[in-house]
Amino acid sequence: ELKVEQNPLFLSMQEGKNYTIYCNYSTTSDRLYWYRQDPGKSLESLFVLLSNGAVKQEGRLMASLDTKARLSTLHITAAVHDLSATYFCAVHASFYNQGGKLIFGQGTELSVKP
Amino acid sequence: DTGVSQNPRHKITKRGQNVTFRCDPISEHNRLYWYRQTLGQGPEFLTYFQNEAQLEKSRLLSDRFSAERPKGSFSTLEIQRTEQGDSAMYLCASSLMRLAGGNQETQYFGPGTRLLVL
Repeated sequence: ELKVEQNPLFLSMQEGKNYTIYCNYSTTSDRLYWYRQDPGKSLESLFVLLSNGAVKQEGRLMASLDTKARLSTLHITAAVHDLSATYFCAVHASFYNQGGKLIFGQGTELSVKP
Repeated sequence: DTGVSQNPRHKITKRGQNVTFRCDPISEHNRLYWYRQTLGQGPEFLTYFQNEAQLEKSRLLSDRFSAERPKGSFSTLEIQRTEQGDSAMYLCASSLMRLAGGNQETQYFGPGTRLLVL
């Protein structure tokens, strides 16, 4: 059974600092997603990573995927308050039958303080 | 707004009552998903449809839960005889699954229906 674990679960950062969120998953998959969720709101898609070594960047966020290690990272550069949210990684669970189910990690609650 | 919409946004009910939620996906999206999210947790998969066919159901979906997508467009999720443990945010997502390049499928989430069972 596919399990997805994120760490840390809570992250308090100062503006301007860099940090990395880690996402480990337990079985082979063909794609991994990062989503953002603001309090009381729904999920916003950030990145989809498809292959080993894939790297995607949008603004101050950069995501990477190592399929051999079953590890993805979300790196935050020079954090600003607007990045405060909960970040989820989600792994496609049905590698062999193309079913679309996603298994989510527990989420990392990020708080960026001045 | 052409995103995923869900109704109602909030629902308060008494234990034992039935509730029904509706999801309208992004136009032309052939896949529709239901997830449940409790406070402080990531969404948990419940079920999904490709067009009108329900292709997978989680073991979380007890026989009190039923979902339909009768014409391959909107979907409904019904919970019968609600229990306090059903209190959660119910999220709907839709995607376009292409035969070619299918592994780039991205699920777009609606605003959710927050259910409170008293």
